[in-house]
Amino acid sequence: NAGVTQTPKFQVLKTGQSMTLQCAQDMNHNSMYWYRQDPGMGLRLIYYSASEGTTDKGEVPNGYNVSRLNKREFSLRLESAAPSQTSVYFCASSEAGTGSRTQYFGPGTRLLVL
Amino acid sequence: EDQVTQSPEALRLQEGESSSLNCSYTVSGLRGLFWYRQDPGKGPEFLFTLYSAGEEKEKERLKATLTKKESFLHITAPKPEDSATYLCAATGAAGNKLTFGGGTRVLVKP
Repeated sequence: NAGVTQTPKFQVLKTGQSMTLQCAQDMNHNSMYWYRQDPGMGLRLIYYSASEGTTDKGEVPNGYNVSRLNKREFSLRLESAAPSQTSVYFCASSEAGTGSRTQYFGPGTRLLVL
Repeated sequence: EDQVTQSPEALRLQEGESSSLNCSYTVSGLRGLFWYRQDPGKGPEFLFTLYSAGEEKEKERLKATLTKKESFLHITAPKPEDSATYLCAATGAAGNKLTFGGGTRVLVKP
């Protein structure tokens, strides 16, 4: 099992460009998440999908959109990138549950917006 | 609002020098307390989940404990390969949202 995979590993964008970060999991998990990690801010939840067909905003959703393509895949889209979106983005997945389920993380996408 | 605070921010240890990392939490209706290890340039790697006060879990040189207000990660006789950032996170009654602490960077010197 590959677990949680993310593409690309690294990306450089210019301000105003758009891009989609891809995430896939092979653990048959129902729930998937997108986080960003910034120095001094820790990991913060951007969006999550409790199950296929549903998505909800997290702590820092502005400037992002998500799509739960199917049970395996959850993408994060930046429509018009800004320098403030320079960060490391992590996707995670977990079994469905009431909050006690362990989340497993991917290797991350490092994004630099110039 | 749920809050998780980790201390110290950084810890330098000699190989074999045991120590403890602290994770204080203010979470309404704690559902789970999670410890992760993160190596530079990598994603967080799951270590432990604790569900109720008094619970303890061990894995090799690591032992995690939980009280009603805080969790500790004890590192016994650490080796250089234990060098990493250790992250604490919690979920509360609000649902699946993990609230993370800022992490503790551990450096173990040979």
